[in-house]
Amino acid sequence: GAVVSQHPSRVICKSGTSVKIECRSLDFQATTMFWYRQFPKKSLMLMATSNEGSKATYEQGVEKDKFLINHASLTLSTLTVTSAHPEDSSFYICSATRGGEDTQYFGPGTRLTVL
Amino acid sequence: GENVEQHPSTLSVQEGDSAVIKCTYSDSASNYFPWYKQELGKRPQLIIDIRSNVGEKKDQRIAVTLNKTAKHFSLHITETQPEDSAVYFCAALYSGAGSYQLTFGKGTKLSVIP
Repeated sequence: GAVVSQHPSRVICKSGTSVKIECRSLDFQATTMFWYRQFPKKSLMLMATSNEGSKATYEQGVEKDKFLINHASLTLSTLTVTSAHPEDSSFYICSATRGGEDTQYFGPGTRLTVL
Repeated sequence: GENVEQHPSTLSVQEGDSAVIKCTYSDSASNYFPWYKQELGKRPQLIIDIRSNVGEKKDQRIAVTLNKTAKHFSLHITETQPEDSAVYFCAALYSGAGSYQLTFGKGTKLSVIP
């Protein structure tokens, strides 16, 4: 149990376009979902935390108007990178926790390349 | 906020030898310490975790120890195999009173030489 999926796995887009990434918990209801960004050979950097039905909490330095997060149900959260630029190219990973647990279960990640 | 330091950043061992990765944390209120293994381009996978009320936990070739007084915890891998080669991340979590904060270390790239 505790499988998290992400879609798409890879996306290449032109500068100025918006990209939506979906994160789904497949076999459990995720009380909380997290979005991370990971640059090559670096650690995971938390971007935001989202709870179903409420606004996401963004980490310091993360632009909420650029990285739109929607957590519409207990199994789905989306991250939209608006007006993407080459510096937004990165590996975006979501994770989710089950109710009453501390463990985060990670999705497979989305490789975003902005040309 | 919490600060997690992880050492070493790279580690090479011969197959069959042991590997040890160490982490320190700053917030004494942190109460949960997971270790993740991440292969290149893949998701981080939980390999073992420990809570603050336990000093040691073992799962086959993997063990974690926690010293709350010194605020450090370590990952031990015995009888290493080439498939153990990956980046390992430690993390420290504070959860309670409506707060949930997981902080990762910078990672250790482990290479097991056949």
